[in-house]
Amino acid sequence: GAGVSQTPSNKVTEKGKYVELRCDPISGHTALYWYRQSLGQGPEFLIYFQGTGAADDSGLPNDRFFAVRPEGSVSTLKIQRTERGDSAVYLCASSSPGENTGELFFGEGSRLTVL
Amino acid sequence: SQKIEQNSEALNIQEGKTATLTCNYTNYSPAYLQWYRQDPGRGPVFLLLIRENEKEKRKERLKVTFDTTLKQSLFHITASQPADSATYLCALEMDSSYKLIFGSGTRLLVRP
Repeated sequence: GAGVSQTPSNKVTEKGKYVELRCDPISGHTALYWYRQSLGQGPEFLIYFQGTGAADDSGLPNDRFFAVRPEGSVSTLKIQRTERGDSAVYLCASSSPGENTGELFFGEGSRLTVL
Repeated sequence: SQKIEQNSEALNIQEGKTATLTCNYTNYSPAYLQWYRQDPGRGPVFLLLIRENEKEKRKERLKVTFDTTLKQSLFHITASQPADSATYLCALEMDSSYKLIFGSGTRLLVRP
């Protein structure tokens, strides 16, 4: 596709449930990022992939959060035992290191609501 | 502690005027600074990138300045239009990482 695609766009779940959020980056982009955005705040870094490997996962808040990118393209963010505080918009972005260093192309986000 | 500060109050201006948004940071040494636009319910969209050795960058009606001594970036929109109404985010990028660190954004409202 032309842009970064994220599914689902909205997810409502109950406290304690498991959630998966999917990101399909721009074709050919080797770098993929997950950010989390709460209301009135800027995006907060979670994890960065270069190819298949997590190059920086320092932003993951705890071990309930995990992300994979097994073939270097699509990525899945997994949240176990969800808590109400996990409610936020989860943004995925991709980039291709090159002349526009660091410019990120964001998807529209997955809005997670934990009841 | 490390902080990125953007004015949390909305900036409300008349169409045709120049909007100026501020991004201040402390205890960071960014190699690059970026500005993004975000509309409600949408992901951020890249606008401009400025490097630490550049003082000013322009793109159409947009102008960004970067003062590494003051640790401040100013973002200007000239001849503002109601369609420019959005939240504008600044983001820092360190030399050793592609990770962006975002401010909380400033909402701009341009009245017709």
